[in-house]
Amino acid sequence: SQTIHQWPATLVQPVGSPLSLECTVEGTSNPNLYWYRQAAGRGLQLLFYSVGIGQISSEVPQNLSASRPQDRQFILSSKKLLLSDSGFYLCAWIGGRTNTGELFFGEGSRLTVL
Amino acid sequence: RKEVEQDPGPFNVPEGATVAFNCTYSNSASQSFFWYRQDCRKEPKLLMSVYSSGNEDGRFTAQLNRASQYISLLIRDSKLSDSATYLCVVLPYSSASKIIFGSGTRLSIRP
Repeated sequence: SQTIHQWPATLVQPVGSPLSLECTVEGTSNPNLYWYRQAAGRGLQLLFYSVGIGQISSEVPQNLSASRPQDRQFILSSKKLLLSDSGFYLCAWIGGRTNTGELFFGEGSRLTVL
Repeated sequence: RKEVEQDPGPFNVPEGATVAFNCTYSNSASQSFFWYRQDCRKEPKLLMSVYSSGNEDGRFTAQLNRASQYISLLIRDSKLSDSATYLCVVLPYSSASKIIFGSGTRLSIRP
């Protein structure tokens, strides 16, 4: 069966500090991978998506970056966090060899920037 | 115009009521549509897909109107446990690459 792991679950970081969130998928291959951010009481904002190793499409952020060093690994990073980076970060995948059209989410990483 | 738009609500309805909300999309070439449910401080989970002919799953009915570019979700005989945020999702035609969520409609069922 397919699973998705995302960590850390919760973190509190000072402004200007670096960030690294990691997401791995198991049980499938060649998935499309996504990073979303959800501010408190708001919808999901698409940050990055990837259709293959090393292929990253950026939607919005200026101080965030993403990388896909392996087929089932997706990393979200920042060199210097801003207060506005606080939020609930969700990794998700779709496709692969068992594509049902459903987007599967990790349990999320809740980031508070102080 | 946003790519996917939803009425944010909140919809506050009594238990047993029928409630419906829509989601409009701007890309006429969009191919696949879904409704997700998100509980407070949790990740979204698939509620149901939306098929061209409309589909029903128990108390939930989803419909697609391609001419007017919207999808709808109808919940009959609402339960307290239906309280959540409902997100619509639109997938592009050519491939499931850029996936856009609506901002969500918050539903609260009162006893």
